Amino acid sequence: EIVLTQSPGTLSLSPGERATLSCRASQTVSSSYLAWYQQKPGQAPRLLIYGASSRATGIPDRFSGSGSGTDFTLTISRLEPEDFAVYYCQLYGSSPTWTFGQGTKVEIK
Amino acid sequence: QVQLVESGGGVVQPGGSLRLSCAASGFIFSTFAMHWVRQAPGKGLEWVAFIRYDGSDKYYADSVNGRFTLSRDNSKNTLYLQMNSLRAEDTAVYYCAKDHGNWKYFDSWGQGTLVTVSS
Repeated sequence: EIVLTQSPGTLSLSPGERATLSCRASQTVSSSYLAWYQQKPGQAPRLLIYGASSRATGIPDRFSGSGSGTDFTLTISRLEPEDFAVYYCQLYGSSPTWTFGQGTKVEIK
Repeated sequence: QVQLVESGGGVVQPGGSLRLSCAASGFIFSTFAMHWVRQAPGKGLEWVAFIRYDGSDKYYADSVNGRFTLSRDNSKNTLYLQMNSLRAEDTAVYYCAKDHGNWKYFDSWGQGTLVTVSS
């Protein structure tokens, strides 16, 4: 079973700053199987990025995804007030299974 | 616009049963696979179950396999999750999620329904 580890657990930043979130897989995975979601308090998650680097419909271009192999990154180029939330990476695996990382909280500094 | 509306959550005693429903609209339900994903209070996301567009394939997380059963009625655009032998650790918000179309991602989510297993 592949485990996804996200870091840091919490990221304290100010609006306008750049956020870099990491997701590491316990073994090499296909980048086409990696997605990122945003979840705000009391709301359902929202798909941001799929295939490691493709933005979902309606997602602003300040959100970008990159990476391959075992290391993947979600970057928010300039944080807007509405971007403070929890972010999860997710992997489609064999069997099939769907696995989430434990999440990174982006909070206002 | 895709809309997914879950219902059926509530409080149930350990060992009890509950059936969740997810009413879908805004897309051709019968052509998309669907999932349930849950989130325990203050915790992260956990995938629970998958059903193919025609119901012919189903997959479950190990934590619920043998206790939960997923089904769908394409004539009613509705997804169901029958939950039996419920345990305290099944307490969570349960989200219905639409598959992106390739079995890999969840591109639309409902607002969730809370299931509390407690005596």
